[in-house]
Amino acid sequence: DTGVSQNPRHKITKRGQNVTFRCDPISEHNRLYWYRQTLGQGPEFLTYFQNEAQLEKSRLLSDRFSAERPKGSFSTLEIQRTEQGDSAMYLCASSPRVHEGDEQFFGPGTRLTVL
Amino acid sequence: DQQVKQNSPSLSVQEGRISILNCDYTNSMFDYFLWYKKYPAEGPTFLISISSIKDKNEDGRFTVFLNKSAKHLSLHIVPSQPGDSAVYFCVALKDEKLTFGTGTRLTIIP
Repeated sequence: DTGVSQNPRHKITKRGQNVTFRCDPISEHNRLYWYRQTLGQGPEFLTYFQNEAQLEKSRLLSDRFSAERPKGSFSTLEIQRTEQGDSAMYLCASSPRVHEGDEQFFGPGTRLTVL
Repeated sequence: DQQVKQNSPSLSVQEGRISILNCDYTNSMFDYFLWYKKYPAEGPTFLISISSIKDKNEDGRFTVFLNKSAKHLSLHIVPSQPGDSAVYFCVALKDEKLTFGTGTRLTIIP
């Protein structure tokens, strides 16, 4: 296990379709985070998990977004009824959270394009 | 509102010279500040961090300085190398949430 992996790397969809992304964190990292990055901006926090529990959701995460981490390992992020404004890079990160300030390890991201 | 600001979108530095990247923040409650580096088609990777109770942290060629009264931090890279060319994000941490700046694209000129 060499790092955080995300699938797919690219997704093109039509407006109104549902999409699902997967994130596999580094083994034994109990924290998993989702961020979204739009053009010209830094990543923005969406939500995070401690094991299977979703502990916080940003106001950026509308009702069309849902994230799960059913067994405390991989996570999925689903967007229902996609809109053009959902086009962005979706980044996943994981952390062991042994010490406060432990770094978060990022995956390569899934680039979503909504036509 | 942008809580972490990087006012220089780009910076070019001669190889071997010092690169200084600057960052300002507005929220005095942040616990840690971090710098992440990002290459194209890759996720951000951690570079160096500093606790809000410290004013300097050094790791090899990288040094981060924190001025709490000015709500300002900077990253110094010396000497700069071609492999340092990337986008650098200034990041603040509070309650496990990272808040990113907009990034500075650093180009090292051989």
